[in-house]
Amino acid sequence: GAVVSQHPSRVICKSGTSVKIECRSLDFQATTMFWYRQFPKKSLMLMATSNEGSKATYEQGVEKDKFLINHASLTLSTLTVTSAHPEDSSFYICSARAGSSGANVLTFGAGSRLTVL
Amino acid sequence: AQSVTQPDIHITVSEGASLELRCNYSYGATPYLFWYVQSPGQGLQLLLKYFSGDTLVQGIKGFEAEFKRSQSSFNLRKPSVHWSDAAEYFCAVGGFGNEKLTFGTGTRLTIIP
Repeated sequence: GAVVSQHPSRVICKSGTSVKIECRSLDFQATTMFWYRQFPKKSLMLMATSNEGSKATYEQGVEKDKFLINHASLTLSTLTVTSAHPEDSSFYICSARAGSSGANVLTFGAGSRLTVL
Repeated sequence: AQSVTQPDIHITVSEGASLELRCNYSYGATPYLFWYVQSPGQGLQLLLKYFSGDTLVQGIKGFEAEFKRSQSSFNLRKPSVHWSDAAEYFCAVGGFGNEKLTFGTGTRLTIIP
């Protein structure tokens, strides 16, 4: 089946530094990937839609200059948290649709837990 | 605007007992409905989905869900839970041509021996 891989699974960084999280579709091509943020004991909040070869579409309230998304190839999207602060600590999950396997059926990565000290 | 309500934040059931997790949605068109399961520190795994047709859908791990349009509900059920079912369960709604899913706040399931 379709597999989405995220790396790193856990990352700890100092306040003010930038962190990059990768999301890869391992056995399929994904023109669109989605980035979610999950707060403790909360639901998933869609942050942005990552489109291969074009700019990402951000949801209302998400700072596009803080959360940089690049979708440079059909199998890779990256989320860079710039000048991270403790309030950016969260669980970030990406997802992608595996072609015609079924409309709207998204495959999710295992998530990346970011801790900003 | 689309939304999903999962009224039960936390449910505890005994192993072997039946389970029903509630989900109500709001969507302006024909909804696509999903149930996902998330184990601690992990991503989401699709349990089942409803697009059209038979309103009772079967999923993996012995789960099923019933779509009731009149009640705007898509409740998840399992006749006999196993300790390995302990996890967080999320209901989600989307639509045709709309891959952006809206998730409910989740229901945490605890299984007691």
